[in-house]
Amino acid sequence: GEDVEQSLFLSVREGDSSVINCTYTDSSSTYLYWYKQEPGAGLQLLTYIFSNMDMKQDQRLTVLLNKKDKHLSLRIADTQTGDSAIYFCAEPALGGSQGNLIFGKGTKLSVKP
Amino acid sequence: EPEVTQTPSHQVTQMGQEVILRCVPISNHLYFYWYRQILGQKVEFLVSFYNNEISEKSEIFDDQFSVERPDGSNFTLKIRSTKLEDSAMYFCASSLDTGRNEQYFGPGTRLTVT
Repeated sequence: GEDVEQSLFLSVREGDSSVINCTYTDSSSTYLYWYKQEPGAGLQLLTYIFSNMDMKQDQRLTVLLNKKDKHLSLRIADTQTGDSAIYFCAEPALGGSQGNLIFGKGTKLSVKP
Repeated sequence: EPEVTQTPSHQVTQMGQEVILRCVPISNHLYFYWYRQILGQKVEFLVSFYNNEISEKSEIFDDQFSVERPDGSNFTLKIRSTKLEDSAMYFCASSLDTGRNEQYFGPGTRLTVT
């Protein structure tokens, strides 16, 4: 079945770039998503990328998509302490409606001052 | 900015009891979802709802679960006879469409079954 894999932890210094990686299984996914979860809060949709794109930039966020390797990454430039959170990669489930999202386990980003 | 709200934030119940988790989706959204996250595990899809009926459900969503949109604003998840393994964070989400499928999540209800 489908699976989304992420590394569990990432620690960076304030001002550095963070790169969070994700691999997914369904090559037919039309959109791929990044969500952010701050402590005690729900999942916040950060950004998404359409599958015919290789890159999408949105202010400090850059999403890179390598469809051949089924690899998605989220780069956060000039990482701030407020970026400390858990970041989830998600794809639509194969054979399901577009609505059924499959999530990775989440990468906990810690930003040291 | 419109947001999805959920109540209660934390629910403690005894095994075998019924619980109802409540959600108010974003007002112009048409698609509604429930997900759950058991501590330390992935966020898992439970059910999607559109046009007053279930459009998709996962294997987790068995006969003890039901969903309802009792009025124009609320979306509820009922667990009829709770089990210890139902302890989890339950997230409600809504989206305007299934094209780009931008799902907006509530803050979650932490359900603890004792």
